[in-house]
Amino acid sequence: NAGVMQNPRHLVRRRGQEARLRCSPMKGHSHVYWYRQLPEEGLKFMVYLQKENIIDESGMPKERFSAEFPKEGPSILRIQQVVRGDSAAYFCASSPMMAGANEKLFFGSGTQLSVL
Amino acid sequence: AQSVSQHNHHVILSEAASLELGCNYSYGGTVNLFWYVQYPGQHLQLLLKYFSGDPLVKGIKGFEAEFIKSKFSFNLRKPSVQWSDTAEYFCAVSQNTGNQFYFGTGTSLTVIP
Repeated sequence: NAGVMQNPRHLVRRRGQEARLRCSPMKGHSHVYWYRQLPEEGLKFMVYLQKENIIDESGMPKERFSAEFPKEGPSILRIQQVVRGDSAAYFCASSPMMAGANEKLFFGSGTQLSVL
Repeated sequence: AQSVSQHNHHVILSEAASLELGCNYSYGGTVNLFWYVQYPGQHLQLLLKYFSGDPLVKGIKGFEAEFIKSKFSFNLRKPSVQWSDTAEYFCAVSQNTGNQFYFGTGTSLTVIP
């Protein structure tokens, strides 16, 4: 059973370009979480999605950031018009049901976004 | 590749008992170390982190962790747990080079009033 898969592992973009980060949850998991780790800081929650629904996006910046988790295919975190401050590691986690309700989170290995 | 081991999968304690959760990692170079907590129905929160300096790190809510380089360990401790400490605890390690970040599988702590 493959774990949570994130790709690409490293993504380099120039300022103003778009970044698309993909996350395939573990088989059978329908809940996906995105976190961002800024250099020398801890993880910060961004968004929580179930299939086709955004449940909690309280950690998402109001502009340029969006996320989706379609019925088919991976969850996508999209950052439009990237700026240098977007450089960070982005982690995805999945769970079969809402995490914390006796359900564990399983983490991907992250995507390192570098904005030049 | 780096690996992070949390040997205790489920821990059940009575209130006021002392807590120690184990965390070992495999990388031999310079690392940054973290403990995260996830309370029921909530999102992951940072408890404490170690980058350099004093190997005994104090975190929020009375938690502390000690970095023992020779043992590749970063165990989490609390002298007296409370019912509200019931949660899932994750150890994580990042390497100073390569921006890699690795999580342990988590330890579920249940504190009985």
